[in-house]
Amino acid sequence: EVQLLESGGDLVEPGGSLRLSCAASGFTFSNHAMSWVRQAPGKGLEWVAVISGSTGVIRYAESVKGRFTISRDNYRGTLYLQMNSLRAEDTAVYFCSKEAAEVIYYEMDVWGQGTTVTVS
Amino acid sequence: QSVLTQPPSVSGTPGQRVTISCFGTTSNTGSNHVSWYQQLPGAAPKLLIRRSDQRPSGVPDRFSGSKSGTSASLAISGLRSDDEADYYCAAWDDSLNGDDSLSGWVFGGGTKLTVL
Repeated sequence: EVQLLESGGDLVEPGGSLRLSCAASGFTFSNHAMSWVRQAPGKGLEWVAVISGSTGVIRYAESVKGRFTISRDNYRGTLYLQMNSLRAEDTAVYFCSKEAAEVIYYEMDVWGQGTTVTVS
Repeated sequence: QSVLTQPPSVSGTPGQRVTISCFGTTSNTGSNHVSWYQQLPGAAPKLLIRRSDQRPSGVPDRFSGSKSGTSASLAISGLRSDDEADYYCAAWDDSLNGDDSLSGWVFGGGTKLTVL
């Protein structure tokens, strides 16, 4: 069974840093691009960043560019999101998602349950 | 404000058919496939439609998607009470904010489906 398990969410002060992790299982991790998507309380989905499976292609949303860094460890089957210079508006549930192919523009076919980040 | 435009809410009675629209631009829905996601209360999103009109295995055929030009739609027939959820469309955007060096995923603002 394909599973994604996020961790690392916490309460952090403005200007602080946090690193989220997403442990993947049940599929060949390096064959799939991975994304982070967030959802502020009571709001809709907002894409944050994407990384290709093994070719190192990365894209960021403008709202996090220069502050957040997405990375992956294909040996450990884990996706990361390093978040620096956190702001109140970064408060959200952060979901990791698996994309349907190695390249970065296929649909997100599996989602984790999310981890909560509160900046206050 | 979301890049893709969806109605904030739609409603229907059990057994009825409802549609949810999704409007974008030439750089996203006009040139790339649209996917649809269902988010039940308190749960993670779930892929409902891929590649604009394809259902992943396990998704009932009551759900269907279509795309024409820069608009897409999700249709739900035989409405059931457990279809009550938020629905989101998404597409890859080749040129975020008009900058060709930026690309990424864009979502609609979400549509809350109420089954009366």
